[in-house]
Amino acid sequence: KAGVTQTPRYLIKTRGQQVTLSCSPISGHRSVSWYQQTPGQGLQFLFEYFSETQRNKGNFPGRFSGRQFSNSRSEMNVSTLELGDSALYLCASTLLAASLGEETQYFGPGTRLLVL
Amino acid sequence: AQKITQTQPGMFVQEKEAVTLDCTYDTSDPSYGLFWYKQPSSGEMIFLIYQGSYDQQNATEGRYSLNFQKARKSANLVISASQLGDSAMYFCAMREVENRDDKIIFGKGTRLHILP
Repeated sequence: KAGVTQTPRYLIKTRGQQVTLSCSPISGHRSVSWYQQTPGQGLQFLFEYFSETQRNKGNFPGRFSGRQFSNSRSEMNVSTLELGDSALYLCASTLLAASLGEETQYFGPGTRLLVL
Repeated sequence: AQKITQTQPGMFVQEKEAVTLDCTYDTSDPSYGLFWYKQPSSGEMIFLIYQGSYDQQNATEGRYSLNFQKARKSANLVISASQLGDSAMYFCAMREVENRDDKIIFGKGTRLHILP
């Protein structure tokens, strides 16, 4: 079974530009979550999508947005990039198992974004 | 207040020795799940082990075991017979089930170095 895939793996942008990152979850998984990882802030939750609906959102400005398609693939978009948006963006998929809290997230390799 | 605390920013351990990585958590939710992830330098988050709050026994997965002390709100990861390939960042994480803010919260991580 293929794992979570993310494209592109590396990206360099300049301030003010926008960027779109893509995530394909494990086949059969219906939930996709996005995280931003920086050395200073660690792993921070961006948002989670389930069945094309945003289910949860972290404390990020409106420049960060996402969506999920009917095949569960997800995209996140960052508009008007700032230097501080340089980070590793990780996507994780979840089967949404019925058991208590056992919703193990499987992560993709991440997209390293550098904003100059 | 931090919900997940990992007090060891870095650790150096001799190959083949056992390693204990500390994790304490804070929640008022009676139902929760605890996770450990490994992140090598490549960036991908690798799921290691899961412990549910109602599980009576400590979780084990190969060389990994979770020392779950519910009263102390502690969920330490134990790696037996460490190997050079265990060198990585390790993250403890928690998902609260009843809390409507239904996301996984990560600690700051511990960087583990295995010495030959």
